[in-house]
Amino acid sequence: EVQLVESGGGLVQPGRSLRLSCTASGFTFGDYAMSWVRQAPGKGLEWVGFIRSKAYGGTTEYAASVKGRFTISRDDSKSIAYLQMNSLKTEDTAVYYCTREAERGGTTYYFDYWGQGTLVTVSS
Amino acid sequence: SSELTQDPAVSVALGQTVRITCQGDSLRSYYASWYQQKPGQAPVLVIYGKNNRPSGIPDRFSGSSSGNTASLTITGAQAEDEADYYCNSRDSSGNHLYVFGTGTKVTVL
Repeated sequence: EVQLVESGGGLVQPGRSLRLSCTASGFTFGDYAMSWVRQAPGKGLEWVGFIRSKAYGGTTEYAASVKGRFTISRDDSKSIAYLQMNSLKTEDTAVYYCTREAERGGTTYYFDYWGQGTLVTVSS
Repeated sequence: SSELTQDPAVSVALGQTVRITCQGDSLRSYYASWYQQKPGQAPVLVIYGKNNRPSGIPDRFSGSSSGNTASLTITGAQAEDEADYYCNSRDSSGNHLYVFGTGTKVTVL
């Protein structure tokens, strides 16, 4: 059974840093790209960023709202994806979800598994 | 544009059919995927690609696409289908890798 479990959320002051972890099980983690998606309280879903599998260079992409502040990395030996969040702002307050990307044929991309999410609250 | 636009809310009588639409330029290049989210829960994939359902998703959920518009149809809506629904696709504008729709609240009457 595929499972994604996020951890590391909590209350943090503006300008500080926080690192989230996504621990995966039930599949060969290194074969998949992983994304982070967030949802501010009462709002919709927002894609945050993405890391490709090592087979595709392990490179990353980010939403404009977090580029330069957030960094995604992965440790395939531990089946963990990380989201390092620096210079946090109050508008980063959200539930952060880890997701697994699936792809078919170059025109079909989707997130087939999601974690339960971890809440990050940025407040003084 | 890197936006995907959805109607904010729709309602459907129990057992009837409801269609949710998603519009955006990226849908001319990529298929949409659709996610159901109930209060306090993580999103769940319900439709991906041309019209594919993951294992465990009832066949009353179906998808279609034409031009810049993707649609999710629930045929014979059940009470448990009341939820928020979001579309998603790769972004063809180059601004972001992925973009989510604005979300549609489906109420089953």
